[in-house]
Amino acid sequence: NAGVTQTPKFRILKIGQSMTLQCTQDMNHNYMYWYRQDPGMGLKLIYYSVGAGITDKGEVPNGYNVSRSTTEDFPLRLELAAPSQTSVYFCASSPTEGGTQYFGPGTRLLVL
Amino acid sequence: DQQVKQNSPSLSVQEGRISILNCDYTNSMFDYFLWYKKYPAEGPTFLISISSIKDKNEDGRFTVFLNKSAKHLSLHIVPSQPGDSAVYFCAASDYTNAGKSTFGDGTTLTVKP
Repeated sequence: NAGVTQTPKFRILKIGQSMTLQCTQDMNHNYMYWYRQDPGMGLKLIYYSVGAGITDKGEVPNGYNVSRSTTEDFPLRLELAAPSQTSVYFCASSPTEGGTQYFGPGTRLLVL
Repeated sequence: DQQVKQNSPSLSVQEGRISILNCDYTNSMFDYFLWYKKYPAEGPTFLISISSIKDKNEDGRFTVFLNKSAKHLSLHIVPSQPGDSAVYFCAASDYTNAGKSTFGDGTTLTVKP
């Protein structure tokens, strides 16, 4: 049981490039979330999903897109990377609405 | 408008003493509160939670207190250990908002041997 896995661990992007941050969970959780954490700040919700095929915007969705074709996977897409997207990205899953979330180890992204 | 606030960015305590981490919230619709612990280069991990129908929840060395009238919760760690040194996030969820959690900015706890 690996829990929540995220790839890559670290990535450097040039301005304007695109990339997909991968997130997979093996706990059969319906709820999945993407957060970003800027230095000295808390976690800001980017997008979330309540089940396969259903996604919705969080607090800071601009510049990002998501899809949820399976229960296990919840990739986050950055289309035109900007320096403001330099951050640490965490994916999380939960078995219940509003309940305990299980986090992945994070992806550190640097946009130059 | 930050709905969950942790006003102390850092806290330093001696090993064996009590650590008290505080959290204030503004949204009266929050009905479930959680504390997460985060070590460097790792994701947050769940520590303890409390429902709005309770005022205290205890798990070993960790106790969370909720004061709904003051919209305040606190995490007590007794006795504190050096391994407790980490960033602690307070989070609150709202059943009317798809249960999404709102996080505070975190408090860095340092426990000195």
